[in-house]
Amino acid sequence: EADIYQTPRYLVIGTGKKITLECSQTMGHDKMYWYQQDPGMELHLIHYSYGVNSTEKGDLSSESTVSRIRTEHFPLTLESARPSHTSQYLCASSGQGNSPLHFGNGTRLTVT
Amino acid sequence: QKEVEQNSGPLSVPEGAIASLNCTYSDRGSQSFFWYRQYSGKSPELIMSIYSNGDKEDGRFTAQLNKASQYVSLLIRDSQPSDSATYLCAGGILTGGGNKLTFGTGTQLKVEL
Repeated sequence: EADIYQTPRYLVIGTGKKITLECSQTMGHDKMYWYQQDPGMELHLIHYSYGVNSTEKGDLSSESTVSRIRTEHFPLTLESARPSHTSQYLCASSGQGNSPLHFGNGTRLTVT
Repeated sequence: QKEVEQNSGPLSVPEGAIASLNCTYSDRGSQSFFWYRQYSGKSPELIMSIYSNGDKEDGRFTAQLNKASQYVSLLIRDSQPSDSATYLCAGGILTGGGNKLTFGTGTQLKVEL
């Protein structure tokens, strides 16, 4: 079973606050991803990383930023949260080659 | 045209029946295919991977791949109410950095008592 952890599980925060969503994995995977998903809607890739010090923007434009300083850690930051950022954020990782993605439990963010 | 297409459903089947979920993809460069199950409010859970033409069985689940027709399917035998969820199909293309997955919008399955 995949060991990928996201914190917090739920976050309610006011407009303008800076937030960081944490994601860690213990599988030694080089590849990590952030997806955004609104209720009942499809997954959208917003960031990915193929290794330490490597980050790329995904298919959906996002105001968030990411960093990859350690293999196991891939945090996502919003400098100034807005209500439009309300969504579920899913972190995933994958191994070598054609490996599937394994998802964390997600962070449900609500910006008031 | 979406790269990975699924009927959004809902697909309703009676308990004990076979549920058949279908997916088509447009990029012939796709080399790996995955089915994920997602319960409402939860994260996607991998249930099947398939890489070559033909069938792959795992318990009550069978994945089928036909690369010539660009078609992937998932059969769930003896459907149970606990199978009620949204099923996501994903196709993967191996790039220089890794496996880039494209997800379909998902098919909602309802298994009725």
